[in-house]
Amino acid sequence: QQPVQSPQAVILREGEDAVINCSSSKALYSVHWYRQKHGEAPVFLMILLKGGEQKGHDKISASFNEKKQQSSLYLTASQLSYSGTYFCGTETGTASKLTFGTGTRLQVTL
Amino acid sequence: KAGVTQTPRYLIKTRGQQVTLSCSPISGHRSVSWYQQTPGQGLQFLFEYFSETQRNKGNFPGRFSGRQFSNSRSEMNVSTLELGDSALYLCASSPGGREYTDTQYFGPGTRLTVL
Repeated sequence: QQPVQSPQAVILREGEDAVINCSSSKALYSVHWYRQKHGEAPVFLMILLKGGEQKGHDKISASFNEKKQQSSLYLTASQLSYSGTYFCGTETGTASKLTFGTGTRLQVTL
Repeated sequence: KAGVTQTPRYLIKTRGQQVTLSCSPISGHRSVSWYQQTPGQGLQFLFEYFSETQRNKGNFPGRFSGRQFSNSRSEMNVSTLELGDSALYLCASSPGGREYTDTQYFGPGTRLTVL
Protein backbone atom coordinates (compact mmCIF):
# COMPACT_ATOMS: atom_id res chain seq x y z
CA GLN A 1 0.00 0.00 0.00
CA GLN A 2 1.23 3.46 -0.93
CA PRO A 3 2.49 5.72 1.87
CA VAL A 4 0.55 8.94 2.25
CA GLN A 5 2.41 12.20 1.80
CA SER A 6 1.32 15.58 3.06
CA PRO A 7 0.98 18.26 2.01
CA GLN A 8 0.37 17.52 -1.67
CA ALA A 9 1.81 20.86 -2.66
CA VAL A 10 3.48 23.81 -0.98
CA ILE A 11 4.73 27.19 -2.13
CA LEU A 12 7.50 28.88 -0.18
CA ARG A 13 9.43 32.08 -0.40
CA GLU A 14 13.18 31.70 -0.49
CA GLY A 15 14.52 31.38 3.04
CA GLU A 16 11.38 29.84 4.53
CA ASP A 17 11.18 26.37 6.06
CA ALA A 18 9.02 23.42 5.06
CA VAL A 19 8.11 20.02 6.43
CA ILE A 20 6.92 17.11 4.31
CA ASN A 21 5.36 14.14 6.01
CA CYS A 22 5.15 10.51 4.97
CA SER A 23 2.87 8.05 6.76
CA SER A 24 2.42 4.33 6.33
CA SER A 25 -0.25 1.92 7.51
CA LYS A 26 2.38 -0.82 7.80
CA ALA A 27 5.45 -1.24 9.97
CA LEU A 28 8.44 0.22 8.20
CA TYR A 29 11.92 -1.15 7.73
CA SER A 30 13.28 1.85 5.91
CA VAL A 31 12.23 5.18 4.47
CA HIS A 32 13.82 6.76 1.42
CA TRP A 33 13.53 10.33 0.19
CA TYR A 34 14.00 11.45 -3.41
CA ARG A 35 13.58 14.74 -5.23
CA GLN A 36 12.56 15.00 -8.86
CA LYS A 37 12.83 18.19 -10.87
CA HIS A 38 10.57 18.70 -13.84
CA GLY A 39 11.69 16.61 -16.80
CA GLU A 40 14.45 14.92 -14.85
CA ALA A 41 14.93 11.61 -13.10
CA PRO A 42 14.43 11.32 -9.33
CA VAL A 43 17.57 11.96 -7.30
CA PHE A 44 18.39 10.31 -4.00
CA LEU A 45 18.36 12.47 -0.86
CA MET A 46 18.66 10.05 2.06
CA ILE A 47 17.73 6.69 3.55
CA LEU A 48 16.58 6.20 7.13
CA LEU A 49 16.58 2.74 8.64
CA LYS A 50 14.33 1.57 11.46
CA GLY A 51 15.63 2.71 14.81
CA GLY A 52 14.17 6.21 14.89
CA GLU A 53 17.25 7.94 13.59
CA GLN A 54 17.54 11.38 12.16
CA LYS A 55 19.72 12.24 9.22
CA GLY A 56 20.66 15.35 7.40
CA HIS A 57 23.00 17.06 5.08
CA ASP A 58 23.26 20.75 4.39
CA LYS A 59 19.86 22.26 5.20
CA ILE A 60 17.80 19.13 4.47
CA SER A 61 17.20 16.61 7.21
CA ALA A 62 14.74 13.85 7.98
CA SER A 63 13.43 11.91 10.92
CA PHE A 64 11.94 8.44 11.17
CA ASN A 65 9.48 7.55 13.91
CA GLU A 66 9.26 3.79 13.75
CA LYS A 67 6.44 3.53 16.31
CA LYS A 68 4.24 5.98 14.43
CA GLN A 69 5.32 4.56 11.06
CA GLN A 70 6.07 8.07 9.91
CA SER A 71 8.92 10.03 8.46
CA SER A 72 9.29 13.76 8.01
CA LEU A 73 11.58 15.68 5.68
CA TYR A 74 12.71 19.10 6.91
CA LEU A 75 13.90 21.78 4.51
CA THR A 76 15.30 24.83 6.24
CA ALA A 77 16.13 28.21 4.72
CA SER A 78 14.83 26.99 1.38
CA GLN A 79 16.62 27.88 -1.82
CA LEU A 80 15.28 28.15 -5.36
CA SER A 81 17.10 24.91 -6.14
CA TYR A 82 14.88 23.05 -3.67
CA SER A 83 11.93 23.30 -6.05
CA GLY A 84 10.68 19.98 -7.33
CA THR A 85 8.55 17.03 -6.33
CA TYR A 86 9.59 15.13 -3.23
CA PHE A 87 8.83 11.43 -2.95
CA CYS A 88 9.10 9.21 0.05
CA GLY A 89 9.61 5.51 -0.56
CA THR A 90 8.94 2.93 2.10
CA GLU A 91 10.15 -0.58 2.62
CA THR A 92 8.33 -2.98 4.93
CA GLY A 93 10.82 -5.82 5.08
CA THR A 94 14.42 -6.72 4.34
CA ALA A 95 15.25 -6.08 0.70
CA SER A 96 11.58 -5.79 -0.15
CA LYS A 97 10.16 -3.55 -2.82
CA LEU A 98 10.21 0.21 -2.47
CA THR A 99 6.73 1.73 -2.50
CA PHE A 100 6.59 5.43 -3.27
CA GLY A 101 4.06 8.00 -2.18
CA THR A 102 2.34 10.21 -4.75
CA GLY A 103 4.72 13.05 -4.07
CA THR A 104 4.75 16.57 -2.65
CA ARG A 105 5.24 19.37 -5.12
CA LEU A 106 7.41 22.12 -3.63
CA GLN A 107 7.88 25.48 -5.29
CA VAL A 108 10.29 28.06 -3.92
CA THR A 109 9.82 31.61 -5.15
CA LEU A 110 11.80 34.82 -4.76
CA LYS B 1 31.29 6.20 -13.78
CA ALA B 2 28.67 6.40 -16.45
CA GLY B 3 25.12 6.71 -15.19
CA VAL B 4 22.12 4.54 -15.88
CA THR B 5 21.15 4.55 -19.52
CA GLN B 6 17.78 3.70 -20.99
CA THR B 7 16.82 3.13 -24.59
CA PRO B 8 14.87 4.23 -26.42
CA ARG B 9 14.07 7.58 -24.81
CA TYR B 10 10.76 7.99 -26.62
CA LEU B 11 8.43 5.45 -28.13
CA ILE B 12 5.05 5.67 -29.82
CA LYS B 13 3.02 2.50 -30.24
CA THR B 14 -0.56 1.57 -31.00
CA ARG B 15 -2.93 -0.49 -28.90
CA GLY B 16 -2.32 -4.21 -29.10
CA GLN B 17 1.34 -3.94 -30.00
CA GLN B 18 4.15 -5.00 -27.74
CA VAL B 19 7.24 -3.08 -26.68
CA THR B 20 10.66 -3.82 -25.19
CA LEU B 21 12.57 -1.27 -23.15
CA SER B 22 16.21 -1.57 -22.24
CA CYS B 23 18.23 -0.45 -19.24
CA SER B 24 21.98 -0.51 -18.66
CA PRO B 25 22.86 -0.07 -14.99
CA ILE B 26 25.87 1.62 -13.49
CA SER B 27 28.93 -0.59 -13.80
CA GLY B 28 29.15 -2.94 -10.82
CA HIS B 29 25.51 -2.62 -9.84
CA ARG B 30 23.69 -5.92 -9.66
CA SER B 31 20.17 -4.75 -8.87
CA VAL B 32 17.84 -3.20 -11.43
CA SER B 33 14.34 -1.99 -10.62
CA TRP B 34 11.66 -0.74 -12.96
CA TYR B 35 9.04 1.87 -12.16
CA GLN B 36 6.07 3.29 -14.02
CA GLN B 37 5.45 6.99 -13.51
CA THR B 38 2.16 8.67 -14.37
CA PRO B 39 0.80 12.05 -13.23
CA GLY B 40 -2.01 10.51 -11.20
CA GLN B 41 -0.29 7.51 -9.64
CA GLY B 42 3.23 8.76 -9.09
CA LEU B 43 6.04 6.20 -9.07
CA GLN B 44 4.78 2.64 -9.12
CA PHE B 45 7.10 -0.31 -8.65
CA LEU B 46 7.03 -2.90 -11.41
CA PHE B 47 9.76 -5.39 -10.52
CA GLU B 48 13.33 -5.77 -9.33
CA TYR B 49 16.00 -8.06 -10.66
CA PHE B 50 19.09 -9.01 -8.73
CA SER B 51 21.77 -11.25 -10.20
CA GLU B 52 19.44 -12.34 -13.04
CA THR B 53 16.61 -13.33 -10.68
CA GLN B 54 13.38 -11.48 -10.10
CA ARG B 55 13.51 -10.61 -6.42
CA ASN B 56 10.44 -8.43 -6.02
CA LYS B 57 7.32 -7.82 -8.05
CA GLY B 58 4.72 -5.07 -7.99
CA ASN B 59 1.01 -5.29 -8.64
CA PHE B 60 0.96 -5.16 -12.40
CA PRO B 61 -0.71 -7.59 -14.80
CA GLY B 62 1.23 -10.38 -16.44
CA ARG B 63 1.49 -8.30 -19.63
CA PHE B 64 4.43 -6.63 -17.92
CA SER B 65 7.51 -8.80 -17.74
CA GLY B 66 11.22 -8.36 -17.46
CA ARG B 67 14.52 -10.08 -17.39
CA GLN B 68 18.12 -9.44 -16.48
CA PHE B 69 21.19 -10.63 -18.28
CA SER B 70 24.49 -11.82 -16.88
CA ASN B 71 26.02 -8.36 -17.43
CA SER B 72 23.20 -6.88 -15.28
CA ARG B 73 21.54 -5.17 -18.23
CA SER B 74 17.79 -5.47 -18.01
CA GLU B 75 14.85 -5.38 -20.36
CA MET B 76 11.18 -5.01 -19.69
CA ASN B 77 8.47 -6.04 -22.07
CA VAL B 78 4.88 -4.97 -22.27
CA SER B 79 2.60 -7.06 -24.47
CA THR B 80 -0.83 -6.17 -25.82
CA LEU B 81 -0.42 -2.49 -25.09
CA GLU B 82 -3.37 -0.53 -23.69
CA LEU B 83 -3.93 3.22 -23.69
CA GLY B 84 -3.37 3.25 -19.92
CA ASP B 85 0.16 1.99 -20.39
CA SER B 86 1.21 5.43 -21.60
CA ALA B 87 3.73 6.57 -19.01
CA LEU B 88 7.33 7.33 -18.23
CA TYR B 89 9.15 4.08 -17.47
CA LEU B 90 12.10 4.55 -15.17
CA CYS B 91 14.84 2.11 -14.51
CA ALA B 92 16.97 2.36 -11.37
CA SER B 93 20.12 0.52 -10.48
CA SER B 94 21.76 -0.08 -7.13
CA PRO B 95 24.67 -2.14 -5.87
CA GLY B 96 22.33 -4.65 -4.24
CA GLY B 97 23.26 -7.24 -1.67
CA ARG B 98 22.27 -5.23 1.40
CA GLU B 99 19.48 -6.19 3.75
CA TYR B 100 17.60 -3.04 2.83
CA THR B 101 16.88 -1.47 -0.53
CA ASP B 102 19.95 0.52 -1.42
CA THR B 103 20.15 3.96 -3.03
CA GLN B 104 18.35 3.90 -6.35
CA TYR B 105 20.17 5.60 -9.21
CA PHE B 106 17.55 6.44 -11.78
CA GLY B 107 17.97 6.59 -15.52
CA PRO B 108 16.38 9.31 -17.67
CA GLY B 109 13.40 7.11 -18.49
CA THR B 110 11.59 5.97 -21.61
CA ARG B 111 8.49 7.96 -22.50
CA LEU B 112 5.95 5.51 -23.94
CA THR B 113 2.88 6.80 -25.71
CA VAL B 114 0.17 4.35 -26.73
CA LEU B 115 -2.27 5.56 -29.38
